[in-house]
Amino acid sequence: EVQLQQSGPELVKPGASVKISCKASGYSFTGYYMHWVKQSHVKSLEWIGRINPYNGATSYNQNFKDKASLTVDKSSSTAYMELHSLTSEDSAVYYCAKGLRDYFDYWGQGTTLTVSS
Amino acid sequence: ENVLTQSPAIMSASLGEKVTMSCRASSSVNYMYWYQQKSDASPKLWIYYTSNLAPGVPARFSGSGSGNSYSLTISSMEGEDAATYYCQQFTSSPSITFGAGTKLELK
Repeated sequence: EVQLQQSGPELVKPGASVKISCKASGYSFTGYYMHWVKQSHVKSLEWIGRINPYNGATSYNQNFKDKASLTVDKSSSTAYMELHSLTSEDSAVYYCAKGLRDYFDYWGQGTTLTVSS
Repeated sequence: ENVLTQSPAIMSASLGEKVTMSCRASSSVNYMYWYQQKSDASPKLWIYYTSNLAPGVPARFSGSGSGNSYSLTISSMEGEDAATYYCQQFTSSPSITFGAGTKLELK
């Protein structure tokens, strides 16, 4: 059974950074892209970017290229997303999602990020 | 960016009623994908490659369309179908965008 287990909710101060994790199981981690998606009340669902766990190659939505950094640890089948210089606009739920060609066949449970002083 | 416009934003249907929702792309795409999301849950893949139902999706659902215009149809509304449905497109680069969603409520 494919599972994507994300880290817990985060409360961070403006200007700080945060790193969210997504541990994959039940499939070949290096065989599929891992994507990250932001869900907020303002903009619904936004694609942040993807990483190829096999070689670490990344692609980003231009709107997030200076905001997010995607990495993986193949030894633990875990993907990470670090968000920098946080503002209140970054408060949202963030999902990791397993890519299957052009779409997402499995999603993590989501990580709620709250940016507040 | 390929903007996806979903309509209506909110709709309600009675049990047994036929439901159709729309997703229009600002640029033509080859395929459309749909996700179902219920409150406090993650989105679930619902329809892929325009018309293929994801595993476990009831046969009362169908997807159709081409070019700039796509739709999701429920032949007979059931209570469990109340949810928000999002369309998604993919173009090479890659560029992935979602619609704003159609919230379907039980009347």
